[in-house]
Amino acid sequence: QVHLQESGPGLVKPSETLSLTCNVSGDSISTHYWSWIRQPPGKGLEWIGYLHYSGNNNYNPSLKSRVIISIDTSKNQFSLQLTSVTAADTAVYFCASGGHSDWLDPWGQGTLVTVSS
Amino acid sequence: DIQMTQSPSSLSASLGDRVTITCRASQNINNDLNWYQQKPGKAPKVLIAAASSLQTGVPSRFSGSGSGTEFALTISSLQPEDFATYYCQQSYNTPLTFGQGTRLDIK
Repeated sequence: QVHLQESGPGLVKPSETLSLTCNVSGDSISTHYWSWIRQPPGKGLEWIGYLHYSGNNNYNPSLKSRVIISIDTSKNQFSLQLTSVTAADTAVYFCASGGHSDWLDPWGQGTLVTVSS
Repeated sequence: DIQMTQSPSSLSASLGDRVTITCRASQNINNDLNWYQQKPGKAPKVLIAAASSLQTGVPSRFSGSGSGTEFALTISSLQPEDFATYYCQQSYNTPLTFGQGTRLDIK
């Protein structure tokens, strides 16, 4: 059974870089596409982007200039970096399997990141 | 971007009721439509993939239908654990986009 777990700082200062990691267990990270999704408090879901270990990636144009998704096959994990954050980037960030012409399943439990000085 | 519009945005219903949530895409997405259930403080869970494919472990009271631009999620007989927020999501092309959500609560 595949399990995903996000980790990273819960508080980031404005203009700094948000960095999160998703640890994957129960499957090889080389097998699938992997996505990041976020959800501002009390609001809906926004797909951030996906990555495959082959290097094929795709980012939401609304965030593309500030996003990097990377993968570490040796640790079976993938990461999200979002630069120049503002209060508008405050959200619960989820990692998930899939996103390349398919559904997102499973998801990590999510981690709240607050952007504040 | 493909816009996904759900209706209603909120819905009150009773145990045992049959409810239907609709999702409209701004362009043809074939059957590349997925439905998720999200409970407070939890991650979304996929219920239906590819418009009508019930996912493993999901109760048979859930069903999905539609193609092209019009889709529906039906719950045949509401159970206590079904009160949650439901989202549709298109996987036809990127960026992946979600509907705004339908909050289903107890009448």
